[in-house]
Amino acid sequence: GNSVTQMEGPVTLSEEAFLTINCTYTATGYPSLFWYVQYPGEGLQLLLKATKADDKGSNKGFEATYRKETTSFHLEKGSVQVSDSAVYFCALNGISGSARQLTFGSGTQLTVLP
Amino acid sequence: NAGVTQTPKFQVLKTGQSMTLQCAQDMNHEYMSWYRQDPGMGLRLIHYSVGAGITDQGEVPNGYNVSRSTTEDFPLRLLSAAPSQTSVYFCASRDSYPSGNTIYFGEGSWLTVV
Repeated sequence: GNSVTQMEGPVTLSEEAFLTINCTYTATGYPSLFWYVQYPGEGLQLLLKATKADDKGSNKGFEATYRKETTSFHLEKGSVQVSDSAVYFCALNGISGSARQLTFGSGTQLTVLP
Repeated sequence: NAGVTQTPKFQVLKTGQSMTLQCAQDMNHEYMSWYRQDPGMGLRLIHYSVGAGITDQGEVPNGYNVSRSTTEDFPLRLLSAAPSQTSVYFCASRDSYPSGNTIYFGEGSWLTVV
């Protein structure tokens, strides 16, 4: 079945530091890949997505590139802000049956200090 | 812009009680699903539906029932609540293929079973 392995947290960074959160996946075929963000006490919001190999998703300064050869979708941001403190989830959406629903990684808690 | 609406937002139940978490979407989406979020485990799929009258089990279906009598509504029923069902529940919806379509989440329902 499908699975997503995400870098364990928590991650604590100083403001303006570089962020990488690793994500690798196992899936059949060509899934779509997503990063969701959850701010404290809120639901999940789509941060970015990529639907095919070599696609780069980007939003709010965050980027991730769909690497089929390494089955990875690492999240990066060049300069984090305090407001980026949240839990980040990597997810994939498969192509058949229940795999059409999202499979999530375990989440990475990010705290950015001023 | 209602999107996906979940109620209630907070609920405390006693062991053995039953209740229904409501979910409604106004985007005419075919796909709806329920996830639970537990610390360190990401989100796990409980049940999903690919259209009115069609439901299927996800990864952790035991103790939950669903039905889909209309496109808009997808309630989740806890038949006899147990402390292990203490969790945050998210309803989600999306349009059908392609798999890259954005999945929209409700704001979550925090359930405590004592």
